[in-house]
Amino acid sequence: DSGVTQTPKHLITATGQRVTLRCSPRSGDLSVYWYQQSLDQGLQFLIQYYNGEERAKGNILERFSAQQFPDLHSELNLSSLELGDSALYFCASSVAGIGLAGPVEQFFGPGTRLTVL
Amino acid sequence: SQQGEEDPQALSIQEGENATMNCSYKTSINNLQWYRQNSGRGLVHLILIRSNEREKHSGRLRVTLDTSKKSSSLLITASRAADTASYFCATLTNTGNQFYFGTGTSLTVIP
Repeated sequence: DSGVTQTPKHLITATGQRVTLRCSPRSGDLSVYWYQQSLDQGLQFLIQYYNGEERAKGNILERFSAQQFPDLHSELNLSSLELGDSALYFCASSVAGIGLAGPVEQFFGPGTRLTVL
Repeated sequence: SQQGEEDPQALSIQEGENATMNCSYKTSINNLQWYRQNSGRGLVHLILIRSNEREKHSGRLRVTLDTSKKSSSLLITASRAADTASYFCATLTNTGNQFYFGTGTSLTVIP
């Protein structure tokens, strides 16, 4: 158990819908990262937040957005869903973050499996 | 395209043998990390090697880094069936603003 929790575990929805994925980092970790893992694209870094602020951005679509709240939990919002958005979405946390001094080993949550029908 | 690529894509060995997988990357890095993923589960951090280090050990794991060739290798000695998983390398770029994961090596250890 990494200490990172993600909810829900599974999500099945239809094209055009909007969903919210939730992540709680390990106690003491200030950074949260979101990744998308699909069979054809591999593991893609989406976005990172550090202590409530966006820190780094990867291959995140404009239809996707995220935020980190004062209690450090994070949410990833996916809207206007398409079939191709079906994937495993992972959240990870670390003590420090990209571009900052300190450990950047990431601890991954169990993931949310999103299926868009 | 992704920063890292692992080789081989898949590897099947007998229990007790050593497993070696390689990772190549494209740009200068701050550090390189290896992660393991059991099917459908989250990734587990194995080991981190900084750009000024050449070799690192952790238990049955040995990681090497050759920054001149932009490559790293992960050696698992005396493999066990429980080592069956996918292994990914991840690089933190020197600009420090992006993590890239490789394509992964799927390791099967046959009991």
